[in-house]
Amino acid sequence: DGGITQSPKYLFRKEGQNVTLSCEQNLNHDAMYWYRQDPGQGLRLIYYSQIVNDFQKGDIAEGYSVSREKKESFPLTVTSAQKNPTAFYLCASTQDGQGASQPQHFGDGTRLSIL
Amino acid sequence: AQSVAQPEDQVNVAEGNPLTVKCTYSVSGNPYLFWYVQYPNRGLQFLLKYITGDNLVKGSYGFEAEFNKSQTSFHLKKPSALVSDSALYFCAVRDLTSGGYQKVTFGTGTKLQVIP
Repeated sequence: DGGITQSPKYLFRKEGQNVTLSCEQNLNHDAMYWYRQDPGQGLRLIYYSQIVNDFQKGDIAEGYSVSREKKESFPLTVTSAQKNPTAFYLCASTQDGQGASQPQHFGDGTRLSIL
Repeated sequence: AQSVAQPEDQVNVAEGNPLTVKCTYSVSGNPYLFWYVQYPNRGLQFLLKYITGDNLVKGSYGFEAEFNKSQTSFHLKKPSALVSDSALYFCAVRDLTSGGYQKVTFGTGTKLQVIP
Protein backbone atom coordinates (compact mmCIF):
# COMPACT_ATOMS: atom_id res chain seq x y z
CA ASP A 1 0.00 0.00 0.00
CA GLY A 2 1.17 3.51 -0.75
CA GLY A 3 1.83 5.89 2.06
CA ILE A 4 4.24 8.03 4.02
CA THR A 5 6.84 6.51 6.32
CA GLN A 6 8.40 8.59 9.07
CA SER A 7 11.31 7.36 11.13
CA PRO A 8 12.24 7.04 13.85
CA LYS A 9 9.01 7.04 15.82
CA TYR A 10 10.79 8.40 18.91
CA LEU A 11 13.97 10.49 18.96
CA PHE A 12 15.99 12.03 21.73
CA ARG A 13 18.28 14.99 21.23
CA LYS A 14 21.19 16.03 23.38
CA GLU A 15 21.97 19.70 23.84
CA GLY A 16 24.01 21.10 20.96
CA GLN A 17 23.19 18.19 18.71
CA ASN A 18 21.58 18.21 15.27
CA VAL A 19 19.11 15.43 14.54
CA THR A 20 17.48 14.38 11.28
CA LEU A 21 13.95 13.10 10.89
CA SER A 22 13.24 10.91 7.89
CA CYS A 23 10.17 11.16 5.64
CA GLU A 24 9.70 8.86 2.64
CA GLN A 25 6.63 8.58 0.41
CA ASN A 26 5.74 6.09 -2.32
CA LEU A 27 2.62 7.92 -3.48
CA ASN A 28 4.43 9.64 -6.35
CA HIS A 29 3.35 12.98 -4.90
CA ASP A 30 5.05 16.17 -6.01
CA ALA A 31 4.55 18.25 -2.86
CA MET A 32 5.74 17.47 0.64
CA TYR A 33 5.38 19.31 3.96
CA TRP A 34 6.73 19.31 7.49
CA TYR A 35 4.55 20.35 10.42
CA ARG A 36 5.18 20.72 14.11
CA GLN A 37 2.38 19.78 16.50
CA ASP A 38 2.30 21.07 20.07
CA PRO A 39 -0.59 20.45 22.48
CA GLY A 40 -3.37 22.99 22.02
CA GLN A 41 -1.67 24.73 19.09
CA GLY A 42 -2.74 22.74 16.09
CA LEU A 43 -0.25 22.16 13.28
CA ARG A 44 2.30 24.76 12.29
CA LEU A 45 4.11 24.64 8.95
CA ILE A 46 7.90 24.39 9.11
CA TYR A 47 8.91 23.87 5.47
CA TYR A 48 7.28 22.77 2.25
CA SER A 49 8.48 21.60 -1.13
CA GLN A 50 6.37 21.74 -4.27
CA ILE A 51 8.92 20.00 -6.48
CA VAL A 52 12.29 18.26 -6.34
CA ASN A 53 15.26 20.55 -5.60
CA ASP A 54 12.99 23.35 -4.40
CA PHE A 55 11.64 24.15 -0.94
CA GLN A 56 10.23 27.14 0.91
CA LYS A 57 10.12 28.28 4.51
CA GLY A 58 6.86 27.97 6.36
CA ASP A 59 5.74 29.88 9.44
CA ILE A 60 8.30 28.52 11.92
CA ALA A 61 11.40 27.61 9.89
CA GLU A 62 14.00 29.03 12.29
CA GLY A 63 16.21 26.31 13.70
CA TYR A 64 15.22 23.78 11.04
CA SER A 65 16.60 22.79 7.63
CA VAL A 66 15.41 20.49 4.84
CA SER A 67 16.50 19.03 1.52
CA ARG A 68 14.59 17.61 -1.44
CA GLU A 69 17.03 15.74 -3.60
CA LYS A 70 14.58 12.99 -4.53
CA LYS A 71 10.86 13.12 -5.17
CA GLU A 72 10.12 10.50 -2.53
CA SER A 73 12.27 11.90 0.28
CA PHE A 74 12.04 15.09 2.38
CA PRO A 75 14.24 14.86 5.50
CA LEU A 76 14.03 17.47 8.25
CA THR A 77 17.04 18.44 10.36
CA VAL A 78 16.42 19.97 13.76
CA THR A 79 19.51 22.02 14.48
CA SER A 80 21.00 23.09 17.79
CA ALA A 81 19.63 26.57 17.03
CA GLN A 82 16.11 25.29 17.72
CA LYS A 83 15.93 25.92 21.45
CA ASN A 84 12.57 24.25 22.07
CA PRO A 85 12.49 21.20 19.81
CA THR A 86 10.30 18.98 21.96
CA ALA A 87 7.21 18.29 19.81
CA PHE A 88 5.46 15.84 17.54
CA TYR A 89 6.64 16.26 13.95
CA LEU A 90 4.41 15.32 11.05
CA CYS A 91 5.30 14.91 7.39
CA ALA A 92 2.62 15.20 4.72
CA SER A 93 2.26 15.15 0.96
CA THR A 94 -0.13 16.10 -1.82
CA GLN A 95 -0.12 14.99 -5.41
CA ASP A 96 0.32 18.49 -6.79
CA GLY A 97 1.70 21.51 -4.97
CA GLN A 98 -0.79 23.77 -6.69
CA GLY A 99 -3.75 21.49 -6.08
CA ALA A 100 -5.60 23.45 -3.46
CA SER A 101 -8.53 21.03 -3.31
CA GLN A 102 -6.42 17.99 -2.53
CA PRO A 103 -6.30 16.68 1.03
CA GLN A 104 -2.93 16.04 2.57
CA HIS A 105 -1.67 12.52 3.33
CA PHE A 106 0.18 12.27 6.63
CA GLY A 107 2.80 9.99 8.10
CA ASP A 108 2.51 8.70 11.67
CA GLY A 109 4.92 11.24 13.08
CA THR A 110 8.15 11.41 15.03
CA ARG A 111 8.12 12.44 18.67
CA LEU A 112 11.25 14.40 19.53
CA SER A 113 12.36 15.00 23.10
CA ILE A 114 15.35 16.64 24.74
CA LEU A 115 17.62 14.52 26.94
CA ALA B 1 -4.90 36.32 6.33
CA GLN B 2 -6.90 33.14 6.76
CA SER B 3 -7.80 31.58 10.09
CA VAL B 4 -9.74 28.72 11.61
CA ALA B 5 -11.37 28.56 15.03
CA GLN B 6 -12.47 25.45 16.89
CA PRO B 7 -14.14 26.96 19.93
CA GLU B 8 -14.36 23.76 21.99
CA ASP B 9 -11.25 22.07 23.31
CA GLN B 10 -13.28 18.99 24.18
CA VAL B 11 -16.70 17.61 23.34
CA ASN B 12 -18.29 14.82 25.35
CA VAL B 13 -21.17 12.80 23.93
CA ALA B 14 -22.90 9.58 24.92
CA GLU B 15 -22.59 6.60 22.61
CA GLY B 16 -25.50 6.50 20.17
CA ASN B 17 -26.23 10.21 20.46
CA PRO B 18 -25.60 12.67 17.62
CA LEU B 19 -22.35 14.61 17.76
CA THR B 20 -21.27 18.02 16.48
CA VAL B 21 -17.75 19.44 16.40
CA LYS B 22 -17.73 23.14 15.58
CA CYS B 23 -15.51 25.04 13.19
CA THR B 24 -15.60 28.63 11.94
CA TYR B 25 -13.24 30.13 9.40
CA SER B 26 -12.08 33.42 7.97
CA VAL B 27 -10.71 33.88 4.45
CA SER B 28 -10.59 36.78 2.04
CA GLY B 29 -12.03 34.78 -0.84
CA ASN B 30 -13.69 31.41 -1.31
CA PRO B 31 -12.53 28.62 0.97
CA TYR B 32 -11.59 25.02 0.57
CA LEU B 33 -12.46 23.35 3.90
CA PHE B 34 -11.27 20.06 5.33
CA TRP B 35 -11.80 17.85 8.37
CA TYR B 36 -9.15 15.46 9.64
CA VAL B 37 -9.08 12.98 12.54
CA GLN B 38 -6.06 12.05 14.63
CA TYR B 39 -5.75 9.04 16.93
CA PRO B 40 -3.09 9.01 19.68
CA ASN B 41 0.48 8.95 18.37
CA ARG B 42 -0.71 8.77 14.77
CA GLY B 43 -0.82 11.14 11.83
CA LEU B 44 -3.92 12.95 10.61
CA GLN B 45 -6.43 11.09 8.47
CA PHE B 46 -8.61 12.90 5.95
CA LEU B 47 -12.37 12.70 6.64
CA LEU B 48 -14.05 15.04 4.17
CA LYS B 49 -13.77 18.29 2.27
CA TYR B 50 -15.92 21.10 0.90
CA ILE B 51 -14.89 22.58 -2.42
CA THR B 52 -18.07 23.79 -4.05
CA GLY B 53 -21.65 22.70 -4.65
CA ASP B 54 -23.89 21.01 -2.11
CA ASN B 55 -23.51 22.51 1.34
CA LEU B 56 -23.83 19.10 3.01
CA VAL B 57 -20.72 17.02 2.48
CA LYS B 58 -20.53 13.32 3.32
CA GLY B 59 -17.26 11.69 4.26
CA SER B 60 -15.64 8.64 5.78
CA TYR B 61 -16.95 6.60 8.74
CA GLY B 62 -20.43 8.13 8.59
CA PHE B 63 -19.29 11.69 9.19
CA GLU B 64 -20.74 14.68 7.38
CA ALA B 65 -20.24 18.42 7.53
CA GLU B 66 -22.42 21.40 6.70
CA PHE B 67 -20.97 24.43 4.98
CA ASN B 68 -22.67 27.67 5.95
CA LYS B 69 -21.32 30.65 4.04
CA SER B 70 -23.29 33.31 5.91
CA GLN B 71 -22.07 32.04 9.27
CA THR B 72 -18.61 31.10 7.92
CA SER B 73 -18.95 27.72 9.59
CA PHE B 74 -18.17 24.14 8.67
CA HIS B 75 -19.39 21.98 11.57
CA LEU B 76 -18.66 18.25 11.62
CA LYS B 77 -21.57 15.96 12.46
CA LYS B 78 -22.47 12.33 12.90
CA PRO B 79 -25.99 11.00 13.62
CA SER B 80 -24.90 8.31 16.08
CA ALA B 81 -21.57 8.41 17.91
CA LEU B 82 -19.40 5.34 18.47
CA VAL B 83 -16.82 4.86 21.22
CA SER B 84 -14.28 4.34 18.44
CA ASP B 85 -14.95 7.91 17.24
CA SER B 86 -13.08 9.19 20.30
CA ALA B 87 -10.11 11.11 18.86
CA LEU B 88 -8.76 14.57 18.09
CA TYR B 89 -10.47 16.38 15.22
CA PHE B 90 -8.97 19.17 13.15
CA CYS B 91 -10.66 21.62 10.84
CA ALA B 92 -8.52 23.21 8.10
CA VAL B 93 -8.98 25.90 5.46
CA ARG B 94 -7.29 26.91 2.23
CA ASP B 95 -7.98 30.28 0.55
CA LEU B 96 -8.70 29.96 -3.15
CA THR B 97 -7.88 33.52 -4.06
CA SER B 98 -4.21 33.52 -3.16
CA GLY B 99 -1.83 33.08 -6.06
CA GLY B 100 0.85 30.43 -6.18
CA TYR B 101 1.15 28.11 -3.21
CA GLN B 102 -1.87 28.19 -0.97
CA LYS B 103 -1.08 27.36 2.61
CA VAL B 104 -3.40 25.23 4.69
CA THR B 105 -4.31 26.66 8.08
CA PHE B 106 -5.32 24.19 10.77
CA GLY B 107 -7.48 24.79 13.81
CA THR B 108 -6.21 23.93 17.29
CA GLY B 109 -8.18 20.70 17.41
CA THR B 110 -11.17 19.40 19.38
CA LYS B 111 -10.93 16.27 21.47
CA LEU B 112 -14.04 14.14 21.09
CA GLN B 113 -14.84 11.79 23.94
CA VAL B 114 -17.64 9.29 23.35
CA ILE B 115 -18.89 7.85 26.61
CA PRO B 116 -20.15 4.23 26.63
